[in-house]
Amino acid sequence: GAVVSQHPSRVICKSGTSVKIECRSLDFQATTMFWYRQFPKKSLMLMATSNEGSKATYEQGVEKDKFLINHASLTLSTLTVTSAHPEDSSFYICSGGRINTEAFFGQGTRLTVV
Amino acid sequence: ELKVEQNPLFLSMQEGKNYTIYCNYSTTSDRLYWYRQDPGKSLESLFVLLSNGAVKQEGRLMASLDTKARLSTLHITAAVHDLSATYFCAVTDDKIIFGKGTRLHILP
Repeated sequence: GAVVSQHPSRVICKSGTSVKIECRSLDFQATTMFWYRQFPKKSLMLMATSNEGSKATYEQGVEKDKFLINHASLTLSTLTVTSAHPEDSSFYICSGGRINTEAFFGQGTRLTVV
Repeated sequence: ELKVEQNPLFLSMQEGKNYTIYCNYSTTSDRLYWYRQDPGKSLESLFVLLSNGAVKQEGRLMASLDTKARLSTLHITAAVHDLSATYFCAVTDDKIIFGKGTRLHILP
């Protein structure tokens, strides 16, 4: 099956710094990728839709200046959490769009801001 | 706005028992997904259901879809401890919207 690789799997950063998370589609071209955020024991909340070669589409309530998304190629989308604060600590998961009938998810990134 | 409701949200059951998780959604969707998530891990795809009346089975899990009722079920047969996890249903209308998840705890 198709593979989506997300990196890093875990990151700890200091408040005020920025963190970049990468999501790669390894064996297919993804014109669209999705970024989700998940709080402990909660469901996945869609943050934004990443579109190759154009601006991302953010869901209501998601700060686009806080969560910068870049989708510069058909195999890579990045999410940068800027000026991170402890409340940004969460589990972030990317999805490599839909191939035929199935969606494929990255391994997730556990972000801890201290 | 597409909404997905799952119930129950938490289920504790004995090994060997059968149970069903329900997933209702609010508007027409062309496909329905079931995922499993273990603690600290990402999502594992279980089933993709595409049409009314679709039924898929894998081991002790069976999923079905009734598009007229906008309802999908995930049935667990003779549960075993290894099935303990959180199960999510999700539907799509250009983006994938998830239910709140069902935390399944199977007692030995």
